[in-house]
Amino acid sequence: SAVISQKPSRDICQRGTSLTIQCQVDSQVTMMFWYRQQPGQSLTLIATANQGSEATYESGFVIDKFPISRPNLTFSTLTVSNMSPEDSSIYLCSAGDSSYEQYFGPGTRLTVT
Amino acid sequence: GENVEQHPSTLSVQEGDSAVIKCTYSDSASNYFPWYKQELGKRPQLIIDIRSNVGEKKDQRIAVTLNKTAKHFSLHITETQPEDSAVYFCAATNTGNQFYFGTGTSLTVIP
Repeated sequence: SAVISQKPSRDICQRGTSLTIQCQVDSQVTMMFWYRQQPGQSLTLIATANQGSEATYESGFVIDKFPISRPNLTFSTLTVSNMSPEDSSIYLCSAGDSSYEQYFGPGTRLTVT
Repeated sequence: GENVEQHPSTLSVQEGDSAVIKCTYSDSASNYFPWYKQELGKRPQLIIDIRSNVGEKKDQRIAVTLNKTAKHFSLHITETQPEDSAVYFCAATNTGNQFYFGTGTSLTVIP
């Protein structure tokens, strides 16, 4: 299974600012995903990070708000732009391969004040 | 798109008893069904999965069953232990590109 790390682990940000979250995988993977998880809730897929092309966003999430990069097969970033308190959540990246098995990073706990 | 429902939302069992969590899905094309365990403040961890060409899979005290006709799958934990206390999520996918998660079951094992 892939080992996934995320930076930062937590942050407190002011409204109107942006935060970029980094996700690093210890091996090359086919798929990388970004999720949001509100406390006590399930996981909501934000987008699939595609290597070499634009991310694929789920309904309700747009590129201007959540720009994603994936420059290679082991790394991706998610930016939360122009933040508001409603963006306070845990953001998780995950990685998967052709077997469909998916492994998660430790998450980034974001608080927007 | 796929819709995954999960029941119950909370479950309390005595240590040593069995626990069963059920999920239903709507898309008959879904072919991969993982289960994740998430302890408080931790990342979701893949604990077992099943593919559509298999009816049952077992790994020590945990097992998953799949009924493709009825479009439901279940997680079974036997001889529960306090360390099994966590939130469990089911999921479904047919492409590996989009995973649809259930709403989660908070399992408490009472010593």
